[in-house]
Amino acid sequence: DAGVTQSPTHLIKTRGQQVTLRCSPKSGHDTVSWYQQALGQGPQFIFQYYEEEERQRGNFPDRFSGHQFPNYSSELNVNALLLGDSALYLCASSRGGTRPYNEQFFGPGTRLTVL
Amino acid sequence: AQKITQTQPGMFVQEKEAVTLDCTYDTSDPSYGLFWYKQPSSGEMIFLIYQGSYDQQNATEGRYSLNFQKARKSANLVISASQLGDSAMYFCAMREGRNGANSKLTFGKGITLSVRP
Repeated sequence: DAGVTQSPTHLIKTRGQQVTLRCSPKSGHDTVSWYQQALGQGPQFIFQYYEEEERQRGNFPDRFSGHQFPNYSSELNVNALLLGDSALYLCASSRGGTRPYNEQFFGPGTRLTVL
Repeated sequence: AQKITQTQPGMFVQEKEAVTLDCTYDTSDPSYGLFWYKQPSSGEMIFLIYQGSYDQQNATEGRYSLNFQKARKSANLVISASQLGDSAMYFCAMREGRNGANSKLTFGKGITLSVRP
């Protein structure tokens, strides 16, 4: 049973560029959440996708956008990159619905460096 | 105010001994869930244990147990019989609300645990 996968593993971009990160959820999961983890900090919630729609959003600017495909995989897009966008980007998947809790399984992350 | 507080500096423990990692939280929602994750240097967040706000008993998962003190709003992780492979960052996280649709996790800043041979 494949877990959450993310690509690429590492990425180096320059300021002002755009980047797309990809995530495939764990088998049987239909909800994907994205988190940004700066060095030495805990992950910060960016947004969550369920049924191909953004269901929740954290305190991130519109430069951060996403998409979920019919097969539940997801993309995170960041436009006009800033130096401060350098971080580990984590994708987490879970089952949707109204269970009292949703255990979230995380992928290995994509480390983005902005020069 | 911070919703999840982890204030311990780097923690050290001798192999085979037990260690407690502290976590306090703040919420006005009567329904919430508390999670602990381990993050080794590879970066992947590994789920360890979960405690629901309405759970009557403290959660246990193998060598991991959660000391849940609701009135004090604390959810400390206890690792028994530490192993060298336990050396990692440990994060406490919270999900607020009963509805599973609200599954956003709020994380603390983490605690570094080093296990000495």
